[in-house]
Amino acid sequence: DTGVSQNPRHKITKRGQNVTFRCDPISEHNRLYWYRQTLGQGPEFLTYFQNEAQLEKSRLLSDRFSAERPKGSFSTLEIQRTEQGDSAMYLCASSEGGAGEQYFGPGTRLTVT
Amino acid sequence: AQSVTQLDSHVSVSEGTPVLLRCNYSSSYSPSLFWYVQHPNKGLQLLLKYTSAATLVKGINGFEAEFKKSETSFHLTKPSAHMSDAAEYFCVVNNILTGGGNKLTFGTGTQLKVEL
Repeated sequence: DTGVSQNPRHKITKRGQNVTFRCDPISEHNRLYWYRQTLGQGPEFLTYFQNEAQLEKSRLLSDRFSAERPKGSFSTLEIQRTEQGDSAMYLCASSEGGAGEQYFGPGTRLTVT
Repeated sequence: AQSVTQLDSHVSVSEGTPVLLRCNYSSSYSPSLFWYVQHPNKGLQLLLKYTSAATLVKGINGFEAEFKKSETSFHLTKPSAHMSDAAEYFCVVNNILTGGGNKLTFGTGTQLKVEL
């Protein structure tokens, strides 16, 4: 068990560019979550997958954001036409079913210039 | 939806003295509550969780928290602070999602500073 991994760890991009982040959950976990954390705040929920199905999306997830989990294993989060307000830490977490204990990855820090 | 309020944004203690980080919750039913810790440049780590079993919950690194329904509180404590405890601490409540998933709702965090 190597934990949840995320790539890249850091991404600097210019406004208007597209970016894609990857999350590899703990292998036996069927649930996967994305959160966003801005400076000085706690993480905020973005979206949730059970296996390959995306079952919940926050209103924070605008049309420019899309997430996939094509084979129920790794997940990608894409942001199109990035804006400076998208600058944040993007966190991925995974869990088994039940009590909600989620294990977090180290995050991808996005800076939009 | 359930929510949490962390009453202090910053707490400073001396090494070897007790730690108290305060959290109140708002819930229409018996909540699942957690404390997570975030060290600089590291991922969030679960310290402890309450899921309606014992009201006094013991976690890792000597931390514990007590669920008090009458006060709607879930304060985090440690008898003796260590320099390595300096970090950001988040009180978290679970909201059940469609399809059985769990949306964690985080407080705004308490930055703990430990001084010599």
